[in-house]
Amino acid sequence: ETGVTQSPTHLIKTRGQQVTLRCSSQSGHNTVSWYQQALGQGPQFIFQYYREEENGRGNFPPRFSGLQFPNYSSELNVNALELDDSALYLCASSLSSGMREQFFGPGTRLTVL
Amino acid sequence: AQSVTQLDSQVPVFEEAPVELRCNYSSSVSVYLFWYVQYPNQGLQLLLKYLSGSTLVKGINGFEAEFNKSQTSFHLRKPSVHISDTAEYFCAVSDPRLSGNTPLVFGKGTRLSVIA
Repeated sequence: ETGVTQSPTHLIKTRGQQVTLRCSSQSGHNTVSWYQQALGQGPQFIFQYYREEENGRGNFPPRFSGLQFPNYSSELNVNALELDDSALYLCASSLSSGMREQFFGPGTRLTVL
Repeated sequence: AQSVTQLDSQVPVFEEAPVELRCNYSSSVSVYLFWYVQYPNQGLQLLLKYLSGSTLVKGINGFEAEFNKSQTSFHLRKPSVHISDTAEYFCAVSDPRLSGNTPLVFGKGTRLSVIA
């Protein structure tokens, strides 16, 4: 059974640019959540996708957007990058059942210069 | 709104000594509670979870946690730590009133450093 994978591992962008991060969910999981983990902080919920629809959103501006594909993989897009967007971006997949466990990928480290 | 407070940002402990990592939550309703571990340059791994039932929860790698509703706490314990337990530990809550897998609200984390 393949776990959650994310790409790329590391990324360096400049302020104002756009970035796309990718996530492949664990086999059989239909729900994907994205979290932002700033240095020295706990992860913060960005949004969640269930069956290709956004199914909840945290306190992040609209320049953070996402997609989920029929195979349940997902993308996180960030437009007009700001310095404060520098963080580890974590993807978590889960079943939509009541087990409540989310399985996390290794993350993408984004640095905005 | 739910929130989580991890009272210690760093906990140094000698190898084979016991350790307790403290977590308090704030919620006006019942909660689901989780502890995750993050090793350097890795994602989060679930150690244990409390959904209902027994307030003493056993997890992987010899860790356990006790849910205390009156004190709104969910402290993580291990009777004897190893060097390999050095990592960042996160406490998290979610809302059981919502269906499906609801967002996790995390604390800021506790850095456990095991000293040889």
